Amino acid sequence: GNSVTQMEGPVTLSEEAFLTINCTYTATGYPSLFWYVQYPGEGLQLLLKATKADDKGSNKGFEATYRKETTSFHLEKGSVQVSDSAVYFCALSDSGSQGNLIFGKGTKLSVKP
Amino acid sequence: GAGVSQSPSNKVTEKGKDVELRCDPISGHTALYWYRQRLGQGLEFLIYFQGNSAPDKSGLPSDRFSAERTGESVSTLTIQRTQQEDSAVYLCASSPRVGRLQETQYFGPGTRLLVL
Repeated sequence: GNSVTQMEGPVTLSEEAFLTINCTYTATGYPSLFWYVQYPGEGLQLLLKATKADDKGSNKGFEATYRKETTSFHLEKGSVQVSDSAVYFCALSDSGSQGNLIFGKGTKLSVKP
Repeated sequence: GAGVSQSPSNKVTEKGKDVELRCDPISGHTALYWYRQRLGQGLEFLIYFQGNSAPDKSGLPSDRFSAERTGESVSTLTIQRTQQEDSAVYLCASSPRVGRLQETQYFGPGTRLLVL
C-alpha cells in the first residue's frame, strides 16, 4: 500500500542554519505530494505541494521538489528562523482517488536563537 | 473567511461512554475528511464524505466508530463504548472538489479526546 516515511526528529538547529527534512514515499500511480506544518497550539496548515514529477513547491522560503526517480520530496530551507519551530508532516494522495491523505509521522523542528 | 471549526476542543470521558465530535467545514467545500492523530504518530485517515455520494468508511478502525454528514454541512463523528486506545486528537478537514482534481485540504484545530 501507499506510505510515507520521513526522518525522525526532533531536529534542533540554530537560527540561520540550513534545514533539510527527508521524505520518501511508496505509491501506485501518480500521487500528489504535500508538506503540512503544525505550529505550537495551532491547527495543521498546508505549507506547499507538488502535483507532478519535477514540480517544485515553495512557500515562506521553504522548497521541496517532487523526484519520481528517487520517490522523494525533501523539504529544505536555506536559513531557518525561530518562528519556523513546528512539527512538519509529509503527505501524499493518489491522483484520481477520493483524496484522503497519507501522512508521515511528523518531524519536530526547534530553532534556537 | 471562517475556517474549519471543531467542537469540543477537549473532551475527557470514561471508558465505555459514547462521545460525539462535531466538525463545521468551510462553506462551499463539498469534501470532508476525518483523521485521527495519536500521540507521536502521523495522521490516520478515518472517513471521507463527498457531496451526496456514499462515504468512504475504509479507514474506520472498528464498528464502534461512525460518522454522519448532512448534505455539505456539519459532520459528527461518534465513538461508542470508548476505549483508552481511542485517546487521540481527532482532526477534520474540508476541501473544494472540482471534477477529479486534487484540492488542498484545510484542517480544523482538532478535538483532543482523553479516555480514562
